[in-house]
Amino acid sequence: QQQVKQSPQSLIVQKGGISIINCAYENTAFDYFPWYQQFPGKGPALLIAIRPDVSEKKEGRFTISFNKSAKQFSLHIMDSQPGDSATYFCAATLTQGGSEKLVFGKGTKLTVNP
Amino acid sequence: DAGITQSPRHKVTETGTPVTLRCHQTENHRYMYWYRQDPGHGLRLIHYSYGVKDTDKGEVSDGYSVSRSKTEDFLLTLESATSSQTSVYFCAISEGVVRTQYFGPGTRLTVL
Repeated sequence: QQQVKQSPQSLIVQKGGISIINCAYENTAFDYFPWYQQFPGKGPALLIAIRPDVSEKKEGRFTISFNKSAKQFSLHIMDSQPGDSATYFCAATLTQGGSEKLVFGKGTKLTVNP
Repeated sequence: DAGITQSPRHKVTETGTPVTLRCHQTENHRYMYWYRQDPGHGLRLIHYSYGVKDTDKGEVSDGYSVSRSKTEDFLLTLESATSSQTSVYFCAISEGVVRTQYFGPGTRLTVL
């Protein structure tokens, strides 16, 4: 119940295309859903996040779509660029006693070809 | 990396030896976390701290202990390292209300 399932494991997209990464969860106690971007040799960095009472959030070329009834959420990267090549992790946040714990998906390695 | 340093950045050690990894922050954030990252597993929480001397276990805490005697430092100790603990270890900090965890640069640990 603590798992977050992420797909695909890897994704290759041409420059200018749309990259779509999907995640699913079971635990309805999760209350915040961030996406992290990680470049090789670096720590993950927050990209965009959404609350479960919102169905969509857009920041620039990045959009999260959230389907609470299906317990699924996805990241869409519009007009994908070679600089977007990185590993993307979805996560779900569990708040307990004032502290927050993140449960991560296993990651998607995105390659954007020029 | 949001005022977070990890030391050492790389370490090679032998099975059975003790190892301590240090996370230091200059942000005065209340919460600190240790994760390990392994191919095919994503990031998994080892231990976390919600204040000085207040710590709790994550999902993969066996074989690890932590200590936090000051707000700025969070130590992860492998009492007797095993090859299965070869991994990249990340420290993260957050201030809770902001709902963002900021990650350090990571420590690559190899246990031979």
